[in-house]
Amino acid sequence: DTAVSQTPKYLVTQMGNDKSIKCEQNLGHDTMYWYKQDSKKFLKIMFSYNNKELIINETVPNRFSPKSPDKAHLNLHINSLELGDSAVYFCASSHPPENTIYFGEGSWLTVV
Amino acid sequence: QQQVKQSPQSLIVQKGGISIINCAYENTAFDYFPWYQQFPGKGPALLIAIRPDVSEKKEGRFTISFNKSAKQFSLHIMDSQPGDSATYFCAASNSGAGSYQLTFGKGTKLSVIP
Repeated sequence: DTAVSQTPKYLVTQMGNDKSIKCEQNLGHDTMYWYKQDSKKFLKIMFSYNNKELIINETVPNRFSPKSPDKAHLNLHINSLELGDSAVYFCASSHPPENTIYFGEGSWLTVV
Repeated sequence: QQQVKQSPQSLIVQKGGISIINCAYENTAFDYFPWYQQFPGKGPALLIAIRPDVSEKKEGRFTISFNKSAKQFSLHIMDSQPGDSATYFCAASNSGAGSYQLTFGKGTKLSVIP
């Protein structure tokens, strides 16, 4: 049973398109996240979200938006894709008191 | 501004040797310091973590050493094995800020050669 699952695993799309990446966690966690890993492997938080609060990293362009239909899902929508958006996007979740963050296996986005 | 600095960027160790990765942080409000291990094509997975009230934590072959006054912490992998070859990330968070977002170091690619 996969704890944090994301789809699709690979996505190749053209500049200017709009795309979504879906994420589901079956751990019963309250908080979910999106991280971006660039070509140099640097991991950077994009959003954190629970049923009370959305925290947005100020450096994330507003073309990126998280949408949570329920506590177990946090999808990532990206509008007007640019070449620089090519990266691996990781969904993750956590829950107090341990607060260990569990990552999905990543979605490889390539914009051409 | 990088809040967690990690070194070295890459590391090659012979099988059976000790691998040492170092991290330094700037934000004195950080109170949780995990290490994550990432294999190619996979997401990062928690390896071991420490809080500032202890100076060392050991789990099997993996040990975290923590120096609060120097704002530094390190990962030691004893008896390194080829299966340990992966990218290792140190991280830090401030639970008092009401969020558990992790700030990651830039990663260390470890290669253990037979």
